[in-house]
Amino acid sequence: NAGVTQTPKFQVLKTGQSMTLQCAQDMNHEYMSWYRQDPGMGLRLIHYSVGAGITDQGEVPNGYNVSRSTTEDFPLRLLSAAPSQTSVYFCASSTGTAKNIQYFGAGTRLSVL
Amino acid sequence: KQEVTQIPAALSVPEGENLVLNCSFTDSAIYNLQWFRQDPGKGLTSLLLIQSSQREQTSGRLNASLDKSSGRSTLYIAASQPGDSATYLCAVIKAAGNKLTFGGGTRVLVKP
Repeated sequence: NAGVTQTPKFQVLKTGQSMTLQCAQDMNHEYMSWYRQDPGMGLRLIHYSVGAGITDQGEVPNGYNVSRSTTEDFPLRLLSAAPSQTSVYFCASSTGTAKNIQYFGAGTRLSVL
Repeated sequence: KQEVTQIPAALSVPEGENLVLNCSFTDSAIYNLQWFRQDPGKGLTSLLLIQSSQREQTSGRLNASLDKSSGRSTLYIAASQPGDSATYLCAVIKAAGNKLTFGGGTRVLVKP
């Protein structure tokens, strides 16, 4: 049972480069979201989706794009990486029902030089 | 804006002692509250979820209580073990969906 799978686990970028962080879930969850975790700042919501074709901004969306073409996948795109985007990124999914347990991926550790 | 606070930021206890972890939130209009565990360099693992209509949830040695009116939740871990050493995070959801607001976490060390 894979759950939430994030790739890559580690990535180093140069300022200005672009990349896509992948997130896939096999639990048929409608809700998916991206968080970043920084020392002293905790986990903050970047973007979220309530279903295929629907996305919305979270607390810190600037510099990131998302799309949701399928229920399973929710990629996060950095169009022009900046050192301020150095962080650990987590993808999460949930059913959105009253129980609404959030399941997290193992994270992607990103460094922007 | 919802703010979630966890105090203390770090806690060290001898093995066998009970752990009491605190979480407070400023907006009592929450949908549910979830406790997570995070090991160094790893993702988050859900421990317990308390719906807004519930007062507590239990799973093995873990018990979480919720007092919405006072904006508090407490996670109790009975008879702590070195394997309980981790960071514990609480998060609240305001409405059905997936927008979690996290506390800063409490880093726990259980000494053998």
